[in-house]
Amino acid sequence: NAGVTQTPKFQVLKTGQSMTLQCAQDMNHEYMSWYRQDPGMGLRLIHYSVGAGITDQGEVPNGYNVSRSTTEDFPLRLLSAAPSQTSVYFCASSDPGTSPNEQFFGPGTRLTVL
Amino acid sequence: QQPVQSPQAVILREGEDAVINCSSSKALYSVHWYRQKHGEAPVFLMILLKGGEQKGHDKISASFNEKKQQSSLYLTASQLSYSGTYFCGTELVGTSYGKLTFGQGTILTVHP
Repeated sequence: NAGVTQTPKFQVLKTGQSMTLQCAQDMNHEYMSWYRQDPGMGLRLIHYSVGAGITDQGEVPNGYNVSRSTTEDFPLRLLSAAPSQTSVYFCASSDPGTSPNEQFFGPGTRLTVL
Repeated sequence: QQPVQSPQAVILREGEDAVINCSSSKALYSVHWYRQKHGEAPVFLMILLKGGEQKGHDKISASFNEKKQQSSLYLTASQLSYSGTYFCGTELVGTSYGKLTFGQGTILTVHP
């Protein structure tokens, strides 16, 4: 199993550009989420999904969109990039039916917005 | 609401012990603990559930005080490999299953 994969690993955008961060998992997990990590702020939840077709907002959803058309994929779209969105983005997945309900994190995408 | 971790940073010599605390102002259903090495993704250590018992993982253990809505992570006889940033993630009673809110992290440095 590849686990949770994210692409790209690094990305530089100009202010106003849009892009999609990709996240995929091959563990058949129902729950997937997106976090951003900034120095001294820990991990902050952007959006999450409890299954295909179901998404909800986390703590910091503004400027981001998500959709979940399949169990495997959970892309994060930046609509109009801003310097404040410079961060490291982690995707995670978990299976509510297992114990312990640990979250498996992808390797992260380091995004810089100029 | 983000849980509060303390201390913000800890410096140890190999073999010393440390305690990291995580406090919430709201009723907790579960507390997760993760460790993150520099430049890497967070890795799961353990989970404590409401009404559950203290968990252990090698020389790392944790407890969950439901009355105080607090969890503590105990690192015993620290090793160089314990260095990293430790995060607690909390699930609140009555919220969506699996929705975690993380603390700001505690940086642990172990010196030889």
